[in-house]
Amino acid sequence: DAGVTQSPTHLIKTRGQHVTLRCSPISGHKSVSWYQQVLGQGPQFIFQYYEKEERGRGNFPDRFSARQFPNYSSELNVNALLLGDSALYLCASTQGFPGGNSPLHFGNGTRLTVT
Amino acid sequence: GENVEQHPSTLSVQEGDSAVIKCTYSDSASNYFPWYKQELGKGPQLIIDIRSNVGEKKDQRIAVTLNKTAKHFSLHITETQPEDSAVYFCAASKPTSGQNFVFGPGTRLSVLP
Repeated sequence: DAGVTQSPTHLIKTRGQHVTLRCSPISGHKSVSWYQQVLGQGPQFIFQYYEKEERGRGNFPDRFSARQFPNYSSELNVNALLLGDSALYLCASTQGFPGGNSPLHFGNGTRLTVT
Repeated sequence: GENVEQHPSTLSVQEGDSAVIKCTYSDSASNYFPWYKQELGKGPQLIIDIRSNVGEKKDQRIAVTLNKTAKHFSLHITETQPEDSAVYFCAASKPTSGQNFVFGPGTRLSVLP
């Protein structure tokens, strides 16, 4: 079975631009979460979607938005990019509603560099 | 909100020795504690997890212990091998709507041959 897939793997953008990152969860998983991992730090929670509805939001500005599609894939959008948005963006899926006893299964991430 | 601390930040051991990484959490409502291994260029991979109704769990060379009273949990790796070299993250979560995993800052483990 395919794991969580993310695209693109790498991306270079300029300050002020907009970016869209994509994620396909493991087949059968209905929940998708997005995390930001700055170099040298642990992943930080951005969004959680379950059954196409937002179920959780971390401490990120409104420039960050996401959505989940009927096939459970997801997009993360970031507007008005700042240098500080440079990071590895991780998508994770889980079989049940996360936050309980269901582990997150991560993709390999999208490395975003903002210049 | 939840805060997870992790120590040490770096750890070097000789091949065959044991490695221990410790984490503490602040929210007593947290009830699920996974450990992830992250290799260069890859996403975190789940290696073991423990739930709050269990004090210890073992899977071959890897074990995790949980002390709910003290709010800390530890990862133990025995008979370390060079392929164990990676960054390890602990995390905590609780079953409330909209809540998700809070990760520690990571431990870079180097196993020297």
